[in-house]
Amino acid sequence: DTAVSQTPKYLVTQMGNDKSIKCEQNLGHDTMYWYKQDSKKFLKIMFSYNNKELIINETVPNRFSPKSPDKAHLNLHINSLELGDSAVYFCASAELPSSGNTIYFGEGSWLTVV
Amino acid sequence: SQQGEEDPQALSIQEGENATMNCSYKTSINNLQWYRQNSGRGLVHLILIRSNEREKHSGRLRVTLDTSKKSSSLLITASRAADTASYFCATARIQGAQKLVFGQGTRLTINP
Repeated sequence: DTAVSQTPKYLVTQMGNDKSIKCEQNLGHDTMYWYKQDSKKFLKIMFSYNNKELIINETVPNRFSPKSPDKAHLNLHINSLELGDSAVYFCASAELPSSGNTIYFGEGSWLTVV
Repeated sequence: SQQGEEDPQALSIQEGENATMNCSYKTSINNLQWYRQNSGRGLVHLILIRSNEREKHSGRLRVTLDTSKKSSSLLITASRAADTASYFCATARIQGAQKLVFGQGTRLTINP
């Protein structure tokens, strides 16, 4: 049973396209996240939602738009893809948004923009 | 920035030896967490140490935290080939929603 699942795992697309990555967690958690890991392995938070409400919005281009239809799902839509968007995108969840709650990560979605 | 920095960036040891990785950070924290990432996989939470704790153990893992030096260490004892992975420290700020700030990681290779 996968706790945090995201699809697709691999995505190769051309510049200028629009793409979405979907994420679902079956842990009953209230909080979900999107993190981005670049080619140098740096992981940075992009967004966080708590019970469908946006609570963290880092300095991310507005081409990136998260959507949380319910607290078990947090999708990431990216418009007008650029070469620099190539990275691994990780979805994650935690029981609560407060500090100290263990964060559970998905397996990642490898996005390559050509 | 609060970004953690792991040291060394890469570590290669023989199976059975102990592996020590260090992490430094810049601002006050609520807690510090260590994660493991196997190649091509997601991150797995290993251990969390709170700012008022100095040492914590979990199986073969031992984590220390020195808030005066803003540093932490992760010790893996009796290493195994399966411990080969990248290890990241992540710090959580004191106030507000949890926003983990990760370092670049230490790439650990255990040679059989």
